[in-house]
Amino acid sequence: SQQGEEDPQALSIQEGENATMNCSYKTSINNLQWYRQNSGRGLVHLILIRSNEREKHSGRLRVTLDTSKKSSSLLITASRAADTASYFCATDAGGYSTLTFGKGTMLLVSP
Amino acid sequence: EADIYQTPRYLVIGTGKKITLECSQTMGHDKMYWYQQDPGMELHLIHYSYGVNSTEKGDLSSESTVSRIRTEHFPLTLESARPSHTSQYLCASSGTGETQYFGPGTRLLVL
Repeated sequence: SQQGEEDPQALSIQEGENATMNCSYKTSINNLQWYRQNSGRGLVHLILIRSNEREKHSGRLRVTLDTSKKSSSLLITASRAADTASYFCATDAGGYSTLTFGKGTMLLVSP
Repeated sequence: EADIYQTPRYLVIGTGKKITLECSQTMGHDKMYWYQQDPGMELHLIHYSYGVNSTEKGDLSSESTVSRIRTEHFPLTLESARPSHTSQYLCASSGTGETQYFGPGTRLLVL
């Protein structure tokens, strides 16, 4: 299985601080994606990084990918209370494969 | 916000009843997916479809069945609900890109 494993499982920070979440996976990938899930809702796509990319930015989000270590990190800078959610990484092996989701990191940002 | 809808949002039903969870999207996406997610846990793919009249089982064995008669519609059916089916069911779709768009989910409680 190439399931992603996020760590930490849960993270509690203050508003304004940065939050870093990590994801590890087991096999070769075409791309890795990060999704956000607010409590009891569906997932929302945040960012996609391809296997030939090392870093990508989108607003306050920064994603890195190290294919040699089979790991990725998601950095949220200057966190806000509205960032409170669960964050999942998902790996895509390409072709006709489907996404495989990790267990997620629960982020709590306190005002 | 993606144009993908799920009904009902919440369902409480007795053991042995037949249920159908509806999922529809207005984006013309060929690919559609059903995931099962227990609270605080990862998503498990239970069914997917790459187009009309195409359905496949996912990584997690499920007693549910699906059909894909129209591009926009991907209903999931449980012939005889059991308490072990209690979970959240998330529907998603994707087009030519790799990103998946999720519906809000259906929370099922089988008594």
